[in-house]
Amino acid sequence: RKEVEQDPGPFNVPEGATVAFNCTYSNSASQSFFWYRQDCRKEPKLLMSVYSSGNEDGRFTAQLNRASQYISLLIRDSKLSDSATYLCVGMTGNQFYFGTGTSLTVIP
Amino acid sequence: DAGVIQSPRHEVTEMGQEVTLRCKPISGHDYLFWYRQTMMRGLELLIYFNNNVPIDDSGMPEDRFSAKMPNASFSTLKIQPSEPRDSAVYFCASRRGTGGNYEQYFGPGTRLTVT
Repeated sequence: RKEVEQDPGPFNVPEGATVAFNCTYSNSASQSFFWYRQDCRKEPKLLMSVYSSGNEDGRFTAQLNRASQYISLLIRDSKLSDSATYLCVGMTGNQFYFGTGTSLTVIP
Repeated sequence: DAGVIQSPRHEVTEMGQEVTLRCKPISGHDYLFWYRQTMMRGLELLIYFNNNVPIDDSGMPEDRFSAKMPNASFSTLKIQPSEPRDSAVYFCASRRGTGGNYEQYFGPGTRLTVT
């Protein structure tokens, strides 16, 4: 079983919609979590860090549920520029464990 | 501040040749990570260093792969001999060692094609 699992999608949503991605992790010792965004043929870029129960940055909200071992990412008022692959990451020790990514396309 | 720098950005080589990938981490970062990304397997950690010392190389596929970090500002990943199945994007990432900030910052990657 992979350390971090995500629904690969794809998610196709209209501009302005709200979309949520879920991610589960298997290692209860994982202490920190992150969401990265990766555009086609580019490097992953940090979107949000989740060290406690959650984090919010503008249209983006991440929540962590340690009891159920999942992390979510909510994107409100989707923009065309939000189209990308979103990678969920769990950190155990010094290692990052990446999910396979969820593909999002925002449609005009 | 300059980000993580990797070179070359693209590399095309023939099977059997030696390939050397280079990385310069962000100044002041104590950890350096080498990843490989393919469509089939996603992002995989190959090896990471702390203060120039290799800590965990369990992700290195086989003896054909080796990595070094001779100083705090430079690391190499070498594949010798290369094989077509090594074709992938290789990313280098770095992060600080202290301060409770664990975010990793990625370089632009090296796209390797082995024919």
